Amino acid sequence: EAGVTQFPSHSVIEKGQTVTLRCDPISGHDNLYWYRRVMGKEIKFLLHFVKESKQDESGMPNNRFLAERTGGTYSTLKVQPAELEDSGVYFCASSQIPVNRNEQFFGPGTRLTVL
Amino acid sequence: GIQVEQSPPDLILQEGANSTLRCNFSDSVNNLQWFHQNPWGQLINLFYIPSGTKQNGRLSATTVATERYSLLYISSSQTTDSGVYFCAVANDYKLSFGAGTTVTVRA
Repeated sequence: EAGVTQFPSHSVIEKGQTVTLRCDPISGHDNLYWYRRVMGKEIKFLLHFVKESKQDESGMPNNRFLAERTGGTYSTLKVQPAELEDSGVYFCASSQIPVNRNEQFFGPGTRLTVL
Repeated sequence: GIQVEQSPPDLILQEGANSTLRCNFSDSVNNLQWFHQNPWGQLINLFYIPSGTKQNGRLSATTVATERYSLLYISSSQTTDSGVYFCAVANDYKLSFGAGTTVTVRA
C-alpha cells in the first residue's frame, strides 16, 4: 500500500510569488490534514478535511493560505503571495474514519524556502 | 490546545545502550502517537498508543493515560536509531506535537 505522498519535496521561491503544494493521501483515507513546522518550532496543525469538506481550518495562519481537496482525493495548499515567515516544512497526513481510531500517517513533507 | 512536553531534549548514547524518552501532556487524550524523524525529514510512525503497552522489536512504549504521560523505550540502540523522536497527542483529531527528543547514537 502506498503511503502519503507530497510534491514537490523542496520549493524555493521569491517573496511575493505563489506556490502550490500537493498531497496525495493513502487510498481510502477520508481524513486529510495539513501541518507545518516553521523556524525550528513545534509542528503545528493547519487544517482538516473530511472527504472534500473543510472540517477545521482554525490553524491556517492568514488568508494568504488556501487549501482545497477536489473530489475528496488529493489536496493542494496554495500560498499567495508568499512571505519570508512562510518558510518551513509542510506536512500532509491522512487517516481513516472512524475518528476515534485516528492514527495519522504522514507524508515526507515539502520544504518551502521563501527568499 | 493540549500542551506536550518531551524530555530530555537531547540524548547521546553509545551503541548498545538502552534509553527512555518521556512525554507529558496536559489533558486527556484519545490519540497518542510516537514518531521518528529520519535524517531525510520523514516522520515515521512508531506507535499509536493512547493507552497501554506495545512492543515492536527493540522499541516499546507505555502510556499511562490517567497520569498523562507516555514513555518510549529504546533497547540495544543502533546508529540507525539516531534522529528526532516526536510525541503527538489529540483529544479530537488535531495532533499537538512536543518539541522532540534528539537522539544521537555513537558507534
